[in-house]
Amino acid sequence: EVHLEESGGGLVRRGGSLRLSCAASGFTFGSYWMHWVRQGPGKGLEWVARIKHDGSFTIYADSVKGRFTISRDNAKNTLYLQMNSLRTDDTAVYYCVREAWRYSFANWGQGTMVTVSS
Amino acid sequence: QSALTQPPSASGSPGQSVTISCTGTSSDVGGYDSVSWYQQRPGKAPTLIIYDVNKRPSGVPDRFSASKSGNTASLTVSGLQADDEAVYYCNSYADNNIGTLGGGTKLTVL
Repeated sequence: EVHLEESGGGLVRRGGSLRLSCAASGFTFGSYWMHWVRQGPGKGLEWVARIKHDGSFTIYADSVKGRFTISRDNAKNTLYLQMNSLRTDDTAVYYCVREAWRYSFANWGQGTMVTVSS
Repeated sequence: QSALTQPPSASGSPGQSVTISCTGTSSDVGGYDSVSWYQQRPGKAPTLIIYDVNKRPSGVPDRFSASKSGNTASLTVSGLQADDEAVYYCNSYADNNIGTLGGGTKLTVL
């Protein structure tokens, strides 16, 4: 069974940094594209970033480009999101997502909350 | 990276059918057979209910069906049940290796 477990969320001041991790199990992690998707309080889903199965390609939403970095360690079955220069509007639950078929978000973690204070 | 357009709300009585639309452009919905739909119940992570326009993952009831015409995709929930009350999101692959999500539709079972 596919399992994704995020960690690393918490409270951080505006301008600060945080690194999220996502431990994956139940599938061949190194064979799948992965994403981060976030959801602000009372808001809809917002796609954040995507990474190719071997880490050779990444792409970002305009709202986080230049501030966030998605990466992965296939030997550790772990996905990361390095978040720098955090803003109050980055406050959200961040979900780790496995892509399957073509650009379908097949499996989601339970999410980790990031709160950016002013 | 413009969001796909969904109605903010939809409703129906138990046993009825309801259809939720998702409108994009020729650069996303109209250009690729890669539309997916998600159900999110309050306080929970979203779950995939439709992929590749009209395919259901294992375990998703056949009361959920979907289609696409031009730049608009649609999700139909038949035989509405109280348990179907949730927010539904569409998603589509788009040009330049990115995708785009819809704003979500809150489905209320009356």
